[in-house]
Amino acid sequence: AQKVTQAQTEISVVEKEDVTLDCVYETRDTTYYLFWYKQPPSGELVFLIRRNSFDEQNEISGRYSWNFQKSTSSFNFTITASQVVDSAVYFCALSEGNSGGYQKVTFGTGTKLQVIP
Amino acid sequence: DTAVSQTPKYLVTQMGNDKSIKCEQNLGHDTMYWYKQDSKKFLKIMFSYNNKELIINETVPNRFSPKSPDKAHLNLHINSLELGDSAVYFCASSQGRPNQPQHFGDGTRLSIL
Repeated sequence: AQKVTQAQTEISVVEKEDVTLDCVYETRDTTYYLFWYKQPPSGELVFLIRRNSFDEQNEISGRYSWNFQKSTSSFNFTITASQVVDSAVYFCALSEGNSGGYQKVTFGTGTKLQVIP
Repeated sequence: DTAVSQTPKYLVTQMGNDKSIKCEQNLGHDTMYWYKQDSKKFLKIMFSYNNKELIINETVPNRFSPKSPDKAHLNLHINSLELGDSAVYFCASSQGRPNQPQHFGDGTRLSIL
């Protein structure tokens, strides 16, 4: 069975600090997909990034970067020079590739990030 | 142009009542989902439909009944509402393949008095 662990329940940082959100996953599949979603205080869930299990290349998008390491089953998310607008709950999620062609996503429990001005 | 829209946004009702939440997507996706998010922000899949067929049905009380009249709509009907049903319910859609991200509605906050 697939599992996603986000051990950090809440993190507070001061604006402009860097912060890393941890995500550890478990799966028996060799093909799987990892996602990050953001849920700001307004409540909507916004897709941020997807990673395939066969592509360990890290990705940077502006102040956001993602570090995918299969050896440690981790897919961590770093925000550089955090801003107040980054305050949100961030969810890591896992979708296995062999779920009968359909998608069943397991979400982590979320990490609440508070950026203090 | 809202991609996934669900109504109502807020639903306040008394225990024992029956209520429905509607969801529509205009993304051309073939798969739709209902999630429940509790007060601790845990997101749990409830149901998933692919081209109007039920493909995921997690351990959910049978008071909850999804209905998909077509692949662009997935409604959720709840009978005999209980206090524990209070939560935010999210509708989502995707292309249904494991590598596709899901697109979420804004959520429906259900409060049971």
